[in-house]
Order: sequence, then structure tokens, then C-alpha cells
Amino acid sequence: QQQVRQSPQSLTVWEGETAILNCSYEDSTFNYFPWYQQFPGEGPALLISIRSVSDKKEDGRFTIFFNKREKKLSLHITDSQPGDSATYFCAASRGSNNRIFFGDGTQLVVKP
Amino acid sequence: DPKIIQKPKYLVAVTGSEKILICEQYLGHNAMYWYRQSAKKPLEFMFSYSYQKLMDNQTASSRFQPQSSKKNHLDLQITALKPDDSATYFCASSHRDSGNTLYFGEGSRLIVV
Repeated sequence: QQQVRQSPQSLTVWEGETAILNCSYEDSTFNYFPWYQQFPGEGPALLISIRSVSDKKEDGRFTIFFNKREKKLSLHITDSQPGDSATYFCAASRGSNNRIFFGDGTQLVVKP
Repeated sequence: DPKIIQKPKYLVAVTGSEKILICEQYLGHNAMYWYRQSAKKPLEFMFSYSYQKLMDNQTASSRFQPQSSKKNHLDLQITALKPDDSATYFCASSHRDSGNTLYFGEGSRLIVV
């Protein structure tokens, strides 16, 4: 059973628009949700993360919205730039010393 | 300078052969991992090691064997290679006791012909 699901599989937006990437999870004991960004030919890198005690986390143009009741979260990228074109992975874990479960990723393309 | 070194970056192997993927991390982390990425499964967990001991194994095949000779090394030996093993293999590390942030290497891209 897939623990973390992402949608859409791919997303294309124009430069300056807001890209919205969705994520949902199965296990209500998950309490830590990192988002990783991966460029072609590179390994994934932590972009932003949130813990289940918060419903929002902001870092510059990147914001996570978290809905614990619905077991959903989303990553909003405002003022999207062509340099944001990458694959974004939503992940979840139960905290330290526990495995991180990754979604299948959303491939984002930002057109100039 | 990369803090997680993976070697080789690219590798072509013949079906049935054996290869070792090397991983060294210089982040002072006590946990290391292997993940596999292919078109079929974008980021698939394989193994995790903590203090050089196997903690978690999600790889069904015994053809995949991690080897940890030092606390900052976690190599991956793959025997009897199959074309389906073609993928990019990522090594990652974390400080297991103080958070779950994974730091990934640049990957070793394996093609089995």
C-alpha cells in the first residue's frame, strides 16, 4: 500500500504563476513531512518541511499548507521561475529513527 | 565540495555480472541509506544502516548486499545483475537521533545490458 500519494504527476505553469502540488498520506501517526526537490542528474535535496503541530510553513516563495484532519498537504510555489523546474517529492515519517516514505513525485515545468 | 561521494557516477554492466557501488559521507552522520530510482518507481527505499548495523531492509532480493566497512561508508554490492536492475542508485545519510533530514549523494547510474 502506497503510504504517500502525490498529484498531479506532472504540472506546467507559466513564469510568475503559482504552482500547487498536492500530497496525501495514509498513516495518521506520521508527524513530519519534508518536501524534496530534485533536478535532473542530481540527488533530491530538502526544500522545506513541516511538522504536524503546524498547519502552515513558509520559506520565501515556498509554502506548505497542512490539513491534519484530512491527511493532506500541499506545496505552493508563488511567482514560479523557470529555475524551479524540477521534480518535487512529498515525504512523510513518524519522526526521528523512523523510515521516510516518499511519494512518486510531481514533475514541474515552469515556462518562461 | 560534495559531502556524500558516490562512485562510479555511471556504470554499464553485463547481465550476470557483479558490481559494487561505493558511498562515503563526510557529514558526520550516523545513519546511511540506499535508495533506487527508476522509471517504474521514482524513489524506492532499499536499506538503512545506523552505527554500521542494518536497521531496515526493503529489498526482497538477496542479490543486493550493503557493506559497511567504516561508519561513514556504505557500499552496495549487486550480484547476478539483471536488466531490471538498471536504475540510479542514491546513497543518503542523516543524523538519526536529531531529525530525519536525508542528505542525498548525486547517484550512481547503472545500466545493465
